[in-house]
Amino acid sequence: DAKTTQPTSMDCAEGRAANLPCNHSTISGNEYVYWYRQIHSQGPQYIIHGLKNNETNEMASLIITEDRKSSTLILPHATLRDTAVYYCIVGSLEYGNKLVFGAGTILRVKS
Amino acid sequence: DVKVTQSSRYLVKRTGEKVFLECVQDMDHENMFWYRQDPGLGLRLIYFSYDVKMKEKGDIPEGYSVSREKKERFSLILESASTNQTSMYLCASRPRAGGSGANVLTFGAGSRLTVL
Repeated sequence: DAKTTQPTSMDCAEGRAANLPCNHSTISGNEYVYWYRQIHSQGPQYIIHGLKNNETNEMASLIITEDRKSSTLILPHATLRDTAVYYCIVGSLEYGNKLVFGAGTILRVKS
Repeated sequence: DVKVTQSSRYLVKRTGEKVFLECVQDMDHENMFWYRQDPGLGLRLIYFSYDVKMKEKGDIPEGYSVSREKKERFSLILESASTNQTSMYLCASRPRAGGSGANVLTFGAGSRLTVL
């Protein structure tokens, strides 16, 4: 079973920031938070990951709460091409650890 | 640009046929995975391999087998296809565990299999 909880869907206006929340209240100390997205009919694409510090790359920012029980993925200026299913996943680096993909959040960016 | 390539984007097979789904990665990754994706069920892990000739069952291995003869290639085999194996199949790879990037999976575009 997925270890994360995400809203089923969200809408965002084009050009605005999209903030996607994720709850992972049972996260272990050695587990990272990963975000992927899947555009229709394509394979999932890695976005960003973090352990406890906030992270930023060319695609997005990841904000992890101090207690690590939740996080938020931020797409600073959403475009129509960001419409996708976004998956929040937790996982450790131990051998055999598998990333479990839940249902994710359907983000619809509207013009 | 590094990538994972799945040989067939769309396949249509008949019940009882043997089906091969091929996956090749050019990133020299040790670990490779096969998932299937169905509406409402998310991605489910079928098999994974952490090295050449090594394989381990995932969550739903029944009805499937795999082959990893070379590091870059991981094949999924349906010995006798059935209609309940109609699905989207996704191959992924990742580096060996040891750094924070070890769970960064790179996925192929997927193979949509229809079994009639």
